[in-house]
Amino acid sequence: AQKITQTQPGMFVQEKEAVTLDCTYDTSDQSYGLFWYKQPSSGEMIFLIYQGSYDEQNATEGRYSLNFQKARKSANLVISASQLGDSAMYFCAMRGYNTDKLIFGTGTRLQVFP
Amino acid sequence: DGGITQSPKYLFRKEGQNVTLSCEQNLNHDAMYWYRQDPGQGLRLIYYSQIVNDFQKGDIAEGYSVSREKKESFPLTVTSAQKNPTAFYLCASSPLAGGTDTQYFGPGTRLTVL
Repeated sequence: AQKITQTQPGMFVQEKEAVTLDCTYDTSDQSYGLFWYKQPSSGEMIFLIYQGSYDEQNATEGRYSLNFQKARKSANLVISASQLGDSAMYFCAMRGYNTDKLIFGTGTRLQVFP
Repeated sequence: DGGITQSPKYLFRKEGQNVTLSCEQNLNHDAMYWYRQDPGQGLRLIYYSQIVNDFQKGDIAEGYSVSREKKESFPLTVTSAQKNPTAFYLCASSPLAGGTDTQYFGPGTRLTVL
């Protein structure tokens, strides 16, 4: 069975600082994808970044990077130079190559303060 | 603009009534999904469809029904058999079913049972 674990219910970070949101996963699939989504208070799930299990380089998208450690089964999201608009819930998710289901963690609420 | 639209944004239902949530996409995606989100939790899959006129149950399909008569539309009906329907409902689509294609989400519908 696949599982995503996010152990940080809430995180605080000062504006312009970097923050790491933790995500560990469990799967028996050899090929899978890892995703991070942002959910602001409006409710919409916004796709941030994707990492494939066979990708050798860590994924980066602007201020977002994914610290992928396959042996440890971790896929932490790093947000550099935090902005007030980054305050939101962040969800880690996984999808096996042969499945149609996206498995979500319980999320981390990030609050950025001035 | 390409995207996913959901309507209505807010929906109130009396107990014993069926209600239908709309989901439309103009991204030409093959696969569409319905998720349910309860407070403080991640998303759980209700139903998904890989192709027109075909759909599969997710983890929590009881009390829900769907149809996929057109590629761009995937309405969800919450029936009176659903014991606790108050939740936030999110529709998503992805280019292909399977693989590790990214799922993109609509803005959501918040359903409240009175």
